[in-house]
Amino acid sequence: GNSVTQMEGPVTLSEEAFLTINCTYTATGYPSLFWYVQYPGEGLQLLLKATKADDKGSNKGFEATYRKETTSFHLEKGSVQVSDSAVYFCALSDSGGYQKVTFGIGTKLQVIP
Amino acid sequence: SQTIHQWPATLVQPVGSPLSLECTVEGTSNPNLYWYRQAAGRGLQLLFYSVGIGQISSEVPQNLSASRPQDRQFILSSKKLLLSDSGFYLCAWSVVVGAGVQETQYFGPGTRLLVL
Repeated sequence: GNSVTQMEGPVTLSEEAFLTINCTYTATGYPSLFWYVQYPGEGLQLLLKATKADDKGSNKGFEATYRKETTSFHLEKGSVQVSDSAVYFCALSDSGGYQKVTFGIGTKLQVIP
Repeated sequence: SQTIHQWPATLVQPVGSPLSLECTVEGTSNPNLYWYRQAAGRGLQLLFYSVGIGQISSEVPQNLSASRPQDRQFILSSKKLLLSDSGFYLCAWSVVVGAGVQETQYFGPGTRLLVL
């Protein structure tokens, strides 16, 4: 079956540091890949997505590139801010009548001033 | 634009009591609807999904049930809550745009349930 593997964290960084959160996946077919962000006490928000190999998703300074050869979708940001503190979920969506989404366990990011 | 609502936002219930959580979507028709649970320190677990009125599929066996009485309404219920039912419950929706085309899921604000 499908699976998503990401570091559990927590990841603690100083403000303006470079961020990488690794995500690898296992899937049949050609899934779409997503990063969701969950701020404290809130639901999940879509951060970015990529629907085919070599696509790059980007939003709010975050980027991730769909790498089929390494089955990866690592999240990066060049300079994090305190407001980026949240839990980040990598996910994949396979084809099918109900678009089942498989989520990673989530990586907690804490950015300190 | 589409919006998704969940209520209540927070709920504290005794063990053995019933449960009803409601989710409604506005601004779209015939969405796929989903219930997830996020237990403390854990990822998201898909509980139920629905592709239409009255059509419910369960992903995991449990003492919870779901119903879809209207196109844009999804209800999560239990007759008798267990301690292990505590968690953060998230409703989500997506739209099918064609065979093999994956659509993004959009999430509601969630309901935090504490069973004591």
